[in-house]
Amino acid sequence: GQNIDQPTEMTATEGAIVQINCTYQTSGFNGLFWYQQHAGEAPTFLSYNVLDGLEEKGRFSSFLSRSKGYSYLLLKELQMKDSASYLCAVIEGDYKLSFGAGTTVTVRA
Amino acid sequence: EADIYQTPRYLVIGTGKKITLECSQTMGHDKMYWYQQDPGMELHLIHYSYGVNSTEKGDLSSESTVSRIRTEHFPLTLESARPSHTSQYLCASSVPREPYEQYFGPGTRLTVT
Repeated sequence: GQNIDQPTEMTATEGAIVQINCTYQTSGFNGLFWYQQHAGEAPTFLSYNVLDGLEEKGRFSSFLSRSKGYSYLLLKELQMKDSASYLCAVIEGDYKLSFGAGTTVTVRA
Repeated sequence: EADIYQTPRYLVIGTGKKITLECSQTMGHDKMYWYQQDPGMELHLIHYSYGVNSTEKGDLSSESTVSRIRTEHFPLTLESARPSHTSQYLCASSVPREPYEQYFGPGTRLTVT
C-alpha cells in the first residue's frame, strides 16, 4: 500500500507562487501524478513524473525525487481560478492509483 | 477531452433500496475504476477492471459490486443502500500507454436517507 502526505491547506495571493509538497512511502512505484479538483467536480490530470527532475507545463511545474520519496507541484502566477484542491497520487506496478488527501489552495485577490 | 459519463449525477434514496450507478466511456479504454470520496477527504479505490469479464476489489472495502460485460460500460450496484453509503462515487478510465493517466467522470453524489 501507499502512505501519501501533503499539507491540508495553503493560501496565497493572486500573482504569487505556491509550492505544494508531497511525500510518499510505497512498496512499488511506477510514477506520480498531480490532479486538480475544483469543489464538487471530478479531478483533472495536471502532470506526471516517473524520473527524477522537474517537468514544466506552462504555469505549473512538478518535481520528483524517487530516492527521497518526495514531489512538489509549483504553481506560478497564481490566478483566482487556481483555487482548488490539488491531489498527489502514486501509481503502483499494476496501474492502480493511490491518492493523498489533497491540499486545498485558496487564492486571494 | 475525455468522454466518460456517469448517471445519475445526484441521487437521494431511502434505506434498503437497490441502486445502480452507471458509468460509460467512449474511448475504448480497457482499464476502468470506481472511487469513493467523502467531502474534503481522499479518493479511495473500491473497484477496478482490466477489461471485459475482469473485476477486482480495491483498497477500500465496499459493499457494492461491479460488472464489466462490455468494454465501455462499468456499472456499480448497491443491493441494499444504507446511510453509511452516502458519498460521492467517481468513475475513471485510463489511457493504454504511458503515463496511463486516468480520466474521471463527473461523479454521482449519493445520499441515503
